[in-house]
Amino acid sequence: GAVVSQHPSRVICKSGTSVKIECRSLDFQATTMFWYRQFPKKSLMLMATSNEGSKATYEQGVEKDKFLINHASLTLSTLTVTSAHPEDSSFYICSARPDSEKLFFGSGTQLSVL
Amino acid sequence: GEDVEQSLFLSVREGDSSVINCTYTDSSSTYLYWYKQEPGAGLQLLTYIFSNMDMKQDQRLTVLLNKKDKHLSLRIADTQTGDSAIYFCAESNTNAGKSTFGDGTTLTVKP
Repeated sequence: GAVVSQHPSRVICKSGTSVKIECRSLDFQATTMFWYRQFPKKSLMLMATSNEGSKATYEQGVEKDKFLINHASLTLSTLTVTSAHPEDSSFYICSARPDSEKLFFGSGTQLSVL
Repeated sequence: GEDVEQSLFLSVREGDSSVINCTYTDSSSTYLYWYKQEPGAGLQLLTYIFSNMDMKQDQRLTVLLNKKDKHLSLRIADTQTGDSAIYFCAESNTNAGKSTFGDGTTLTVKP
């Protein structure tokens, strides 16, 4: 079945640095990918929709300059958390789907900002 | 917008059946999912059901879908301590693509 690979699974960084998270669709092409954020003991909140070859669509309240999304190819979307701060510490998950099929999720990235 | 609701907590005894309920509002939902999340881990897709189905069974898991009432349930038979986790209900619309999650039900299985 379709597989979405997310890397890294866990990252610890210092405050002020930037962190890049990759999301790859391994055996299908995805013109659209989605990025979610999960706060501790909370549900997943959609952050943005990543569109191949065009700008991402951000949900209300999500800072575009803070969370940079690049979807340069049909199999790769990246989320960069710029100038990370402790409040950015969270679990980030991406998802993608083959056309007209169900969504597949990456395994998630636990970001800890010290 | 779309909304998915589920009860926050469920506690059962080992060996009993667990039933986790979920309601959603998007009548154009195409797929409905159940995910399991163990502490510190990512999401694990347990099962999913296509919107034109009423029921799906997979070993100890039974999913029931009442499309008219927009109600989804997950039944876990012979619940084990290893089933203790947070269970998320989610829906997606293949036209919109993105999915909406419930807040998760924390299942506690007591020995």
